[in-house]
Amino acid sequence: QKEVEQNSGPLSVPEGAIASLNCTYSDRVSQSFFWYRQYSGKSPELIMSIYSNGDKEDGRFTAQLNKASQYVSLLIRDSQPSDSATYLCAVKEGGGNKLTFGTGTQLKVEL
Amino acid sequence: DAGITQSPRYKITETGRQVTLMCHQTWSHSYMFWYRQDLGHGLRLIYYSAAADITDKGEVPDGYVVSRSKTENFPLTLESATRSQTSVYFCASSRDDYGYTFGSGTRLTVV
Repeated sequence: QKEVEQNSGPLSVPEGAIASLNCTYSDRVSQSFFWYRQYSGKSPELIMSIYSNGDKEDGRFTAQLNKASQYVSLLIRDSQPSDSATYLCAVKEGGGNKLTFGTGTQLKVEL
Repeated sequence: DAGITQSPRYKITETGRQVTLMCHQTWSHSYMFWYRQDLGHGLRLIYYSAAADITDKGEVPDGYVVSRSKTENFPLTLESATRSQTSVYFCASSRDDYGYTFGSGTRLTVV
């Protein structure tokens, strides 16, 4: 059973701080990694994808991947109250197009 | 409008009834998916389809049936609804090796 693990939180950070969200996965052949944001009562929204080791930046978001450690993270700089949501980590195995999702980390950005 | 749409948004049904959830996408994406989301379990894959007339089981397929006669439609049928199938159901579509785009979801209650 392929597993994707996330701390459920809630993770509370003050406005303007850096939020760090972490995810580990069990399947070593995983090739593609995604972060989704889900507001309460809404559907998941893709915010970042990363395919190779290292960092990938997009605006205030940075995804980090370390395949040797089977670890992927999402950094949110200058956190805003509008970033308060649940963040889902998703992992795609090498040979197919199915995503396995973690249960999500709830982020609360406090004024 | 372009995108992925699910219907109905909300549905209440009785135990033992058959119910069909609809999903329609306008991008001609080859892949389509059905997930259910439950507290404590996150998103779990029910069925997926790689192309018209090609479907396969996911993690939790029991009690569900799918079909895909046209690329743009991927209905999910609960043959005989049970209370354990009370959940939020999300349909998603994707191209190869891209993240998914989700529909707005169907909240199903089985009484």
